[in-house]
Amino acid sequence: GESVGLHLPTLSVQEGDNSIINCAYSNSASDYFIWYKQESGKGPQFIIDIRSNMDKRQGQRVTVLLNKTVKHLSLQIAATQPGDSAVYFCAENMRNTGNQFYFGTGTSLTVIP
Amino acid sequence: NAGVTQTPKFQVLKTGQSMTLQCAQDMNHEYMSWYRQDPGMGLRLIHYSVGAGITDQGEVPNGYNVSRSTTEDFPLRLLSAAPSQTSVYFCASSRLAGAWGDTQYFGPGTRLTVL
Repeated sequence: GESVGLHLPTLSVQEGDNSIINCAYSNSASDYFIWYKQESGKGPQFIIDIRSNMDKRQGQRVTVLLNKTVKHLSLQIAATQPGDSAVYFCAENMRNTGNQFYFGTGTSLTVIP
Repeated sequence: NAGVTQTPKFQVLKTGQSMTLQCAQDMNHEYMSWYRQDPGMGLRLIHYSVGAGITDQGEVPNGYNVSRSTTEDFPLRLLSAAPSQTSVYFCASSRLAGAWGDTQYFGPGTRLTVL
């Protein structure tokens, strides 16, 4: 089966610093990726997405980078705030599987005030 | 819009009991799905539906049934609960069925414990 993995299960950063969360995927056919944020006791919340025809996409304080050569995805959060503390998941989707996504196990981000 | 709603928020069952987890969305989304989330594991797909009257199995369907009689509702039934079904269950929906690159929106989850 497919696998989507995260390099670091936990990450602690100082408030105001930038955060980088990494994700490796194994299927070179994956062509759409989403980053989700999951706060304690809540469902995953969409943050940002990127298609395989792009290398970089920016949102509000977040940037996603995609390196298809090494099958690596990263989420950068600028000026990390206490409200950013959560678990972050990446998910991959392949054109031939329609709506079906495969999810990584998640990285827990803790922001230190 | 309320988005994706799930009830109940918490549930405790005894082994062998049956129950239905409710999921509803008010966004007129075609695609709906159920996932379970276990510690240290990513979300795993249980069942999904691409429209009213159409359902299919995901990665871990055993022990669960679904139906989709309306666009809005997608209940998940546990036929005979087992401790291995202790998990957090999430319902999700997407606007288009079979559409690559279509964002999924998640409900708040149901935390189920089977004793």
